[in-house]
Amino acid sequence: DSGVTQTPKHLITATGQRVTLRCSPRSGDLSVYWYQQSLDQGLQFLIQYYNGEERAKGNILERFSAQQFPDLHSELNLSSLELGDSALYFCASSVQVGVSGANVLTFGAGSRLTVL
Amino acid sequence: DQQVKQNSPSLSVQEGRISILNCDYTNSMFDYFLWYKKYPAEGPTFLISISSIKDKNEDGRFTVFLNKSAKHLSLHIVPSQPGDSAVYFCAAMGNSNSGYALNFGKGTSLLVTP
Repeated sequence: DSGVTQTPKHLITATGQRVTLRCSPRSGDLSVYWYQQSLDQGLQFLIQYYNGEERAKGNILERFSAQQFPDLHSELNLSSLELGDSALYFCASSVQVGVSGANVLTFGAGSRLTVL
Repeated sequence: DQQVKQNSPSLSVQEGRISILNCDYTNSMFDYFLWYKKYPAEGPTFLISISSIKDKNEDGRFTVFLNKSAKHLSLHIVPSQPGDSAVYFCAAMGNSNSGYALNFGKGTSLLVTP
């Protein structure tokens, strides 16, 4: 158990629908990151939050949004879903955003989204 | 654009031999490099890292080598064990559009056969 909790583990939905993925970071970690892993693709960075504020954006579509709440848990909202959004979505956390060493991210087990 | 590239999708090695996984990067501003291991149905787990000011870092059976001039790093596993069979991701961090987020390669699937 990495300490990063993601729910749900699996989700099947239809095109055009909206889903919310939830992440609870490891205790003490203030930064949350969202990554997408599609078939045959590496981990694509979507977005990062630090202590409730957005800090960095990657290849996140406009149909996707995220937020981090005061208790530090985060939600990734995916709307107007398309077949191509089917993927594993990983949440990761780390203790800080500005680092003097390697920023080691701790990952959750992922949420597998299937869009039919 | 893929700033971190792992050009070998898969690698098969016999137990006891050396496994060498390679990674190339394009952004000279990266200042840390990390390797992650991923088993099926689990999230990636951190394995080892190296700073851009070093050329080697060793942790038990795992050693990472960095060649900055070639923008190339490699992970050596010696000796390889069947439990090492997993997907290995190379990642880089530094001054980029993604802040301190890690930029990952597509991964190399390592199979260690008995």
